Amino acid sequence: EAQVTQNPRYLITVTGKKLTVTCSQNMNHEYMSWYRQDPGLGLRQIYYSMNVEVTDKGDVPEGYKVSRKEKRNFPLILESPSPNQTSLYFCASSSLATNEKLFFGSGTQLSVL
Amino acid sequence: KQEVTQIPAALSVPEGENLVLNCSFTDSAIYNLQWFRQDPGKGLTSLLLIQSSQREQTSGRLNASLDKSSGRSTLYIAASQPGDSATYLCAVSPPNFGNEKLTFGTGTRLTIIP
Repeated sequence: EAQVTQNPRYLITVTGKKLTVTCSQNMNHEYMSWYRQDPGLGLRQIYYSMNVEVTDKGDVPEGYKVSRKEKRNFPLILESPSPNQTSLYFCASSSLATNEKLFFGSGTQLSVL
Repeated sequence: KQEVTQIPAALSVPEGENLVLNCSFTDSAIYNLQWFRQDPGKGLTSLLLIQSSQREQTSGRLNASLDKSSGRSTLYIAASQPGDSATYLCAVSPPNFGNEKLTFGTGTRLTIIP
């Protein structure tokens, strides 16, 4: 089954404790991206990657890091989480062919205390 | 900067009725427009993608239209069912870009009343 898998689904942590949210896709997609979703603000892009070792900032990259060492994986790293990073996070992927639909993971609900 | 608006934020409709969801965007220069569905506790699922050169796309009971000149798209759902209850989001991409530059609306939460 074609899918984007995120882990964990729920995460509660404390300020300053480094964490990683994993994302993996099995569709051989070149493009992968991270979004955060907040009430009233909609989906905002954090970082994206057009292929292995190619990453770029989205609209809200501050406080986040990413890496793309393998085509299927695109982890999101919070080196020193803060309460304003409490949010619902989504990973997404697609091929780079013209007009391709975007596939999303099920989301990670992060709470930073 | 592109802004995408979806009004109303919430809509309740009796089962069986046809309904229309709205999406407005401020910059008519777009590459494509996508409609997504988001169920509680789940990610987004792409429903329809309309290329800028197209006027509409259909999938089953769903029909999406695009009027670039007026900056509007509508998602028509025929014969609504309780299973259609979800939040529906639209997103647009600028010319010469694909999914890496999508701008999303904040969505319309649809409830179908049995």
